[in-house]
Amino acid sequence: DIVMTQSPDSLAVSLGERAAINCKSSQSILYSANNRNYLAWYQQKPGQPPKLLIYWASTRESGVPDRFSGSGSGTDFTLTISSLQAEDVAVYYCHQYVVSPLTFGQGTRLEIK
Amino acid sequence: QLQLQESGPGLVKPSETLSLTCTVSGGSISSNSYYWGWVRQPPGKGLEWIGSIYYSGSAYYNPSLKSRVTISVDTSKNQFSLKLKSVTAADTAVYYCARNYCTTSSCYPGDTRWFGPWGQGTLVTVSS
Repeated sequence: DIVMTQSPDSLAVSLGERAAINCKSSQSILYSANNRNYLAWYQQKPGQPPKLLIYWASTRESGVPDRFSGSGSGTDFTLTISSLQAEDVAVYYCHQYVVSPLTFGQGTRLEIK
Repeated sequence: QLQLQESGPGLVKPSETLSLTCTVSGGSISSNSYYWGWVRQPPGKGLEWIGSIYYSGSAYYNPSLKSRVTISVDTSKNQFSLKLKSVTAADTAVYYCARNYCTTSSCYPGDTRWFGPWGQGTLVTVSS
């Protein structure tokens, strides 16, 4: 199985500041045939289901604010929130879908400083 | 707007079978562009993919659960279902159903990729 490791486990950032969450896969999730990174990011607020933010490592889902961006390739990826808003407090998960079984990172809790 | 809703018992006894159904509204489960998946989340923990099914009935499972899981689909009711047998306390979790995207607009076998949207989830507790 591909193991997804997120860092840090928790993060506190001031409102309006930049937040960055890292995700590392135990093997490359870049598929050479189409040069795509098979990685998604989700946001989960308390008591709610996960919400898709980004897929193909950097494609923003429709309706997701443009302060959310994804980057990286191969085994190292980052979710960046350019200017933290109060409503961004949540747990964030990365997810690889290049091979079965589909696996997720352990989650990163984002709070307001 | 596509919506998914899980339903089923919230309490299951150890060694029995957990059974849940996901009802899809606002879209057809018979689309050739998606799989339909189950993901679970133990209280306070992370996400675990259980398995996914295509409208034709082809299903793919997490090997860690494969011996105990069956996912089925009923296109006439726009529903898909999960059965997990021989449950233990370790199976206590919130169970989510979700649309499972494929690489392109036409899926191929095993082409299970990212998830969205998700149902609200249902907590299933395994206890006597």
